[in-house]
Amino acid sequence: KNQVEQSPQSLIILEGKNCTLQCNYTVSPFSNLRWYKQDTGRGPVSLTIMTFSENTKSNGRYTATLDADTKQSSLHITASQLSDSASYICVVSDRGSTLGRLYFGRGTQLTVWP
Amino acid sequence: EADIYQTPRYLVIGTGKKITLECSQTMGHDKMYWYQQDPGMELHLIHYSYGVNSTEKGDLSSESTVSRIRTEHFPLTLESARPSHTSQYLCASSERDATNEKLFFGSGTQLSVL
Repeated sequence: KNQVEQSPQSLIILEGKNCTLQCNYTVSPFSNLRWYKQDTGRGPVSLTIMTFSENTKSNGRYTATLDADTKQSSLHITASQLSDSASYICVVSDRGSTLGRLYFGRGTQLTVWP
Repeated sequence: EADIYQTPRYLVIGTGKKITLECSQTMGHDKMYWYQQDPGMELHLIHYSYGVNSTEKGDLSSESTVSRIRTEHFPLTLESARPSHTSQYLCASSERDATNEKLFFGSGTQLSVL
C-alpha cells in the first residue's frame, strides 16, 4: 500500500503563474518530510526537509508547508519558469534513525509552457 | 551540485549478459544506496550500505548484487540480464542516515534489456 499520495499526477501551467502541489501521507510514526525535484533523465535533487515542528520552509521560489495533524504537505511554486518543468517527489521518513525507512510518492509531473 | 557519479548513463544490452553499473561519490559519505525507478512510479530501495564491507538488501527484491570495498565506490551487478530488469537505476549517498538528512543522487543509469 502506497503510504504517500501525490496530486495532481500531472499539471500544465503557463510561465509566470503560481502553482501548488499536494502530498498526503499515512506514514507513522512521522519523522520528516522532504520534497525533491527530478528533471527528466536525472536524479532527484533535494528542495526542502521539514520535521514535525516545522510547518513551512522556503527555498527560493519554492515554499513547502506541513500540517502534521492532517498529514498533508504542499509545495507552492511562485512565478514559474520553464526550468521548473520536472517531476516533484514527496518523501516521508518514519523514524529518523537506522531503523527507519523512506516512503516515496510517485511524483507530480509539472510542465511549464512559455 | 552533488559529487556522485554514475556510469554508464544509458545501456542497451541483450538478454543473458552480465553487467555492472558503476557509482562513485567524492563526498566521503559512509551511507550509499541503490534505487530502482520505473516511469511514473515511486523509487524503490534495492540495496544499501552503511560503510565498507557492509551491504544489505532493500525493500524491493532484486536479482542484482552489490559490493562496497571502498568508501567511494558502490557498484551494482546483474549476472544475467533479463527484459524485466529494464528500468532506471539511481545511486544515492548520505553523510549519516538517509532518514535524518537529505540524499544526494547520481544522474542515473537507464538500462534496457532486449
